[in-house]
Amino acid sequence: QKEVEQDPGPLSVPEGAIVSLNCTYSNSAFQYFMWYRQYSRKGPELLMYTYSSGNKEDGRFTAQVDKSSKYISLFIRDSQPSDSATYLCAMRAAGNKLTFGGGTRVLVKP
Amino acid sequence: GAVVSQHPSWVICKSGTSVKIECRSLDFQATTMFWYRQFPKQSLMLMATSNEGSKATYEQGVEKDKFLINHASLTLSTLTVTSAHPEDSSFYICSARVGRGVDEKLFFGSGTQLSVL
Repeated sequence: QKEVEQDPGPLSVPEGAIVSLNCTYSNSAFQYFMWYRQYSRKGPELLMYTYSSGNKEDGRFTAQVDKSSKYISLFIRDSQPSDSATYLCAMRAAGNKLTFGGGTRVLVKP
Repeated sequence: GAVVSQHPSWVICKSGTSVKIECRSLDFQATTMFWYRQFPKQSLMLMATSNEGSKATYEQGVEKDKFLINHASLTLSTLTVTSAHPEDSSFYICSARVGRGVDEKLFFGSGTQLSVL
């Protein structure tokens, strides 16, 4: 079993819909959680960073962390075709390296 | 966020030659950088941790003599793929660590697509 599980998709939604992404993890030592967006043939771009359970909002993006369930989510409101990309969750324990999920490919259709 | 510049973005080379990829932190000093490899439709695989002024730490299964890492300054790390073979063809991405503890974040370069003929 992988430490971080993420559905590879593709997840196809119409423009304007809410995109819902999630990851589950098994290592209870993970304390810091990130979401990255990666366009094809580009490096990942940091979207959201959280280190506690609860919600964090930034513009159209909302990140949720539920440490008791070992489950994190990313929601994208009012999705645009430019949001079409692969979204990677990543997490780490204190002082440790990042562990990535496999990525979810998202397609937002106009 | 912090800017990490990676060069070149695309390189094609003949089998047996060596290729150098540069990773620069543009607006901050990075004592620690990371090198990743990514195959199509797969996630990032950490190859090595590059520490300024000391030897790199390689992940299990990564040949340190094949993937030479040099981190001679606080803003530059290089990855040299020596005696490249077609199986080394991949997307290589560097990243730099910014901040410590709770504030620690990882910013990535734009990646280098290596094609070995």
